Amino acid sequence: DGGITQSPKYLFRKEGQNVTLSCEQNLNHDAMYWYRQDPGQGLRLIYYSQIVNDFQKGDIAEGYSVSREKKESFPLTVTSAQKNPTAFYLCASSPPGRYSNQPQHFGDGTRLSIL
Amino acid sequence: GQQVMQIPQYQHVQEGEDFTTYCNSSTTLSNIQWYKQRPGGHPVFLIQLVKSGEVKKQKRLTFQFGEAKKNSSLHITATQTTDVGTYFCAGPSRFTGGGNKLTFGTGTQLKVEL
Repeated sequence: DGGITQSPKYLFRKEGQNVTLSCEQNLNHDAMYWYRQDPGQGLRLIYYSQIVNDFQKGDIAEGYSVSREKKESFPLTVTSAQKNPTAFYLCASSPPGRYSNQPQHFGDGTRLSIL
Repeated sequence: GQQVMQIPQYQHVQEGEDFTTYCNSSTTLSNIQWYKQRPGGHPVFLIQLVKSGEVKKQKRLTFQFGEAKKNSSLHITATQTTDVGTYFCAGPSRFTGGGNKLTFGTGTQLKVEL
């Protein structure tokens, strides 16, 4: 059954700690995305990758880093530089084509909180 | 940069009442997408509109793309409790470094009371 798997579902970060959120997809999609959602808010783009070994900063990339070493995987690291990391993080992917015209498929998300 | 606004931000309706959310973009869009996010869940793609003035229906949901391709609406007829959630519109925009992305609207949260 194809889809996007995010783990963990819940994550707690200590002060000064880097944490990594996992995102794996078996949809054979080229493009992958990371969004941040704060309570009652819309989705804000953190990073975006069109192909393996390539990624671009989104609207709120400061304090975050990503890698795209495999087509299936797009992990997000929330660094200690991100002073307000508490949020719901959503990973998405979209099929080949004109990327902005393709519907995005989302994972179930990771809820990150500060200890 | 591009902004996509939605109104209202919240809407409470009685079951059986109609509901409409409006989406407005600061720039002309080549297409617009709509997503639904259930409470505690993730956004799920509903539909894409491409043509100026386009109207599409999915059962009790009617989607419309404005003539100028800068606004869109979603209308739900006779709401049910299963319609509860937040509805987002999303339009394409360019990255400053090239490439395309989707800009999501601010969302309209719908609550349906029995």
